[in-house]
Amino acid sequence: GDSVTQMEGPVTLSEEAFLTINCTYTATGYPSLFWYVQYPGEGLQLLLKATKADDKGSNKGFEATYRKETTSFHLEKGSVQVSDSAVYFCALYSGNTPLVFGKGTRLSVIA
Amino acid sequence: NAGVTQTPKFQVLKTGQSMTLQCAQDMNHNSMYWYRQDPGMGLRLIYYSASEGTTDKGEVPNGYNVSRLNKREFSLRLESAAPSQTSVYFCASSAQGRRNEQYFGPGTRLTVT
Repeated sequence: GDSVTQMEGPVTLSEEAFLTINCTYTATGYPSLFWYVQYPGEGLQLLLKATKADDKGSNKGFEATYRKETTSFHLEKGSVQVSDSAVYFCALYSGNTPLVFGKGTRLSVIA
Repeated sequence: NAGVTQTPKFQVLKTGQSMTLQCAQDMNHNSMYWYRQDPGMGLRLIYYSASEGTTDKGEVPNGYNVSRLNKREFSLRLESAAPSQTSVYFCASSAQGRRNEQYFGPGTRLTVT
């Protein structure tokens, strides 16, 4: 079945550091790919998405590119802030079932 | 708009007790979902309702029942709570044709002793 694998956390970075959170997927067909973010004490929010190969999703300085050849959708940000501290979930949707989520990666950014 | 609301925010139950978690959305969404979130396990889908009047099992439905009361409300019931059901429960909803863009409630933290 469809699945998403994310790098294990926690990830701890200093403010203004470069962030990469790896995500790879297994799916039949051509899924849409997503990153959701969960801030402390809150539910998940959609951060960005890409619906086809080579699409780049972006929001709030975060970016991710849908790479069909490597079945990846890595999340990047050039300069993280303390306010980016959260748990990040990669997810896919192939149309057959509801969203499939990865296990989440906790990011802590220290000043 | 309140979005997705959940009640209660916190609950402590003894083993064997029953309770219902309530969820409501005011976005006129067709689909609603219940997830549980456990450390190291991410989000796991318990049940979902693609539209009013329908419900389907997700990945971990055992020990739970759901009711789609109307288009706005989707409740999750634990008939006989067990310590393994200690978790944070999230309700979510999505619009017709946009099942991949889900809007989440703030969660209910449930402890079963």
